[in-house]
Amino acid sequence: AQTVTQSQPEMSVQEAETVTLSCTYDTSENNYYLFWYKQPPSRQMILVIRQEAYKQQNATENRFSVNFQKAAKSFSLKISDSQLGDTAMYFCAFMKRGAGNMLTFGGGTRLMVKP
Amino acid sequence: DTAVSQTPKYLVTQMGNDKSIKCEQNLGHDTMYWYKQDSKKFLKIMFSYNNKELIINETVPNRFSPKSPDKAHLNLHINSLELGDSAVYFCASSRSGGSDTQYFGPGTRLTVL
Repeated sequence: AQTVTQSQPEMSVQEAETVTLSCTYDTSENNYYLFWYKQPPSRQMILVIRQEAYKQQNATENRFSVNFQKAAKSFSLKISDSQLGDTAMYFCAFMKRGAGNMLTFGGGTRLMVKP
Repeated sequence: DTAVSQTPKYLVTQMGNDKSIKCEQNLGHDTMYWYKQDSKKFLKIMFSYNNKELIINETVPNRFSPKSPDKAHLNLHINSLELGDSAVYFCASSRSGGSDTQYFGPGTRLTVL
């Protein structure tokens, strides 16, 4: 079974600064996908970024980028130029291809962006 | 237009009751899911379903059952509700094929008294 670990329960960052959220996972699979989801106080789950394991290039979406280290089974999220609206819970998730395509989530990191 | 919708958003009920949560998606997806988020914010898959296959997480009690009247809907029925069932339940959908992103509904907060 896969496990996903987010070692930082809470983090804070000043507005306009950069913050990195950590995620590690454990799997014996070679073909899988990784995701970061954001859950603001509204509780809606919003996709931030995704990465296919077979791609070496790190995914980027505007101010959000990942550092994907496949050998180390690490998938960190970097948020640049942090904004107040980035305040939320962030969840790292793993999906093995096939087997119902179910997501396995980490425990989440609560990020507070301070003005 | 809401892509994945759930009703109700809030549900308060007594122990022992039977309740349902409805989920609808208008994205044309063929795979739908139910997740449970507990009071510590931990999210766990309950079911994955498309028109061919239901996959159940082995930790889900058989009091929980998904029912799909058509491809756009996957409702969650819960029998004999227990205090420990209190949580936020999320529906999600995606295209099949293994690589597609799952889109989540707004969640239903269930409180069992």
